[in-house]
Amino acid sequence: AQTVTQSQPEMSVQEAETVTLSCTYDTSENNYYLFWYKQPPSRQMILVIRQEAYKQQNATENRFSVNFQKAAKSFSLKISDSQLGDTAMYFCAFIGTDKLIFGTGTRLQVFP
Amino acid sequence: DGGITQSPKYLFRKEGQNVTLSCEQNLNHDAMYWYRQDPGQGLRLIYYSQIVNDFQKGDIAEGYSVSREKKESFPLTVTSAQKNPTAFYLCASSIDHGDLFYEQYFGPGTRLTVT
Repeated sequence: AQTVTQSQPEMSVQEAETVTLSCTYDTSENNYYLFWYKQPPSRQMILVIRQEAYKQQNATENRFSVNFQKAAKSFSLKISDSQLGDTAMYFCAFIGTDKLIFGTGTRLQVFP
Repeated sequence: DGGITQSPKYLFRKEGQNVTLSCEQNLNHDAMYWYRQDPGQGLRLIYYSQIVNDFQKGDIAEGYSVSREKKESFPLTVTSAQKNPTAFYLCASSIDHGDLFYEQYFGPGTRLTVT
C-alpha cells in the first residue's frame, strides 16, 4: 500500500528565516508525482509545488523548493525568507496510478 | 475567473436528514473529487468521477452518494446513513491524463455540522 508520512505535527519559524518540512512516502511505482499543498486558516487547499518522479532536478517556486531523494523516498519542502502569510497547515501528497494520498500535515507557525 | 466553487461555506442539519453539498468548476477539467477532512487528519477520498455519468467509490464512500450529470458539476449527498457526518468537505478537480490523475485544484470547502 502507498503511504505518505509527515513526522512533524508542528513547526515554528521566525519571520525571514528558513524552515524545512519533512515528508517520506512508500510506493513500488516508478512513475508518480509528489505535491506540497498549503492550507491557511481559510482552509482553502492551495498547491505550492509539484515534483515529477522522473525528473532529477528539484522543483522550485519562488521561496519554496523541494529536496527530492527518490531512492530514499523523501520529499522535503524548504521555505526561505519565511513570511507571516506562510502560517498554515502543509500537506505532502503522492499520486501514482491510483488516487491522491495525503499525509497528516504539518502545522507551521511563522512568528514576527 | 476560472475556479471551483462550493456552496454553502457553512451548513447545519439535523440528524436523520439528507443534505447535498454543491461543487461547480469552470476549469473544463475532466475529473472531479470529494474529500473529507477531520481534525488532525489528512484528506480522505469519498468519491471521484473521471467522466460524465460515471463515478467510483473512494476510501470512505459509505453513507454518501454523488452524481455527475454535467462536466461542471459534482454534487455530494450526505445521507442519514453516514454515522459521523460532521466534517469539512473539500471538492477538487483535475485534468485527466489517463492513468495519472495529475494535480488537483481545490474549492474553498463546506463545513457541515449535524446535530
